[in-house]
Amino acid sequence: GEDVEQSLFLSVREGDSSVINCTYTDSSSTYLYWYKQEPGAGLQLLTYIFSNMDMKQDQRLTVLLNKKDKHLSLRIADTQTGDSAIYFCAEKGTYKYIFGTGTRLKVLA
Amino acid sequence: GAGVSQTPSNKVTEKGKYVELRCDPISGHTALYWYRQSLGQGPEFLIYFQGTGAADDSGLPNDRFFAVRPEGSVSTLKIQRTERGDSAVYLCASSETATSPNSPLHFGNGTRLTVT
Repeated sequence: GEDVEQSLFLSVREGDSSVINCTYTDSSSTYLYWYKQEPGAGLQLLTYIFSNMDMKQDQRLTVLLNKKDKHLSLRIADTQTGDSAIYFCAEKGTYKYIFGTGTRLKVLA
Repeated sequence: GAGVSQTPSNKVTEKGKYVELRCDPISGHTALYWYRQSLGQGPEFLIYFQGTGAADDSGLPNDRFFAVRPEGSVSTLKIQRTERGDSAVYLCASSETATSPNSPLHFGNGTRLTVT
């Protein structure tokens, strides 16, 4: 079945790197996404990676994909207080997106 | 340009009442999705429209839930005989197409439904 798992909480100091992890189960997923949700808002797309890629870098964000282990990670370099939010990974098959439970990132000043 | 708009932003209703939640997708987006997000959880798929038709409604919890998109743009999620367990944030999202690799989901801010 489809299931996406994430750890619930992560706390880092401002300026440090954050690494948020995700495991998924659907090996047919074509794309994997990272979304950010701030309080009272909808989800905002951060970045995505195609399933035949191992890594994608986008400014402070680095996505790593281990397709064999069905493991996805998001690294945020030089984490800022404005990065405090809930981060969701999502897998996509043909059209349906399945979201994880979200990781709440808290950045300490 | 304008993003996905959802109205109302908050809705409080009594148990047993009927509610309608509206979604205005980004203009030109043919794919429209409804998700439900309970406290502390990720978005849970409800229904997906491609154009006017519901291509996948497998996520609707039961027959009290229904959604329409009559002209392929605005969509309405309808909940009959609301129950306290329906309380959640209902999120709408749209994309240019559902299958294009470079066509990610754009979410609205959601409607927070509270059933008392």
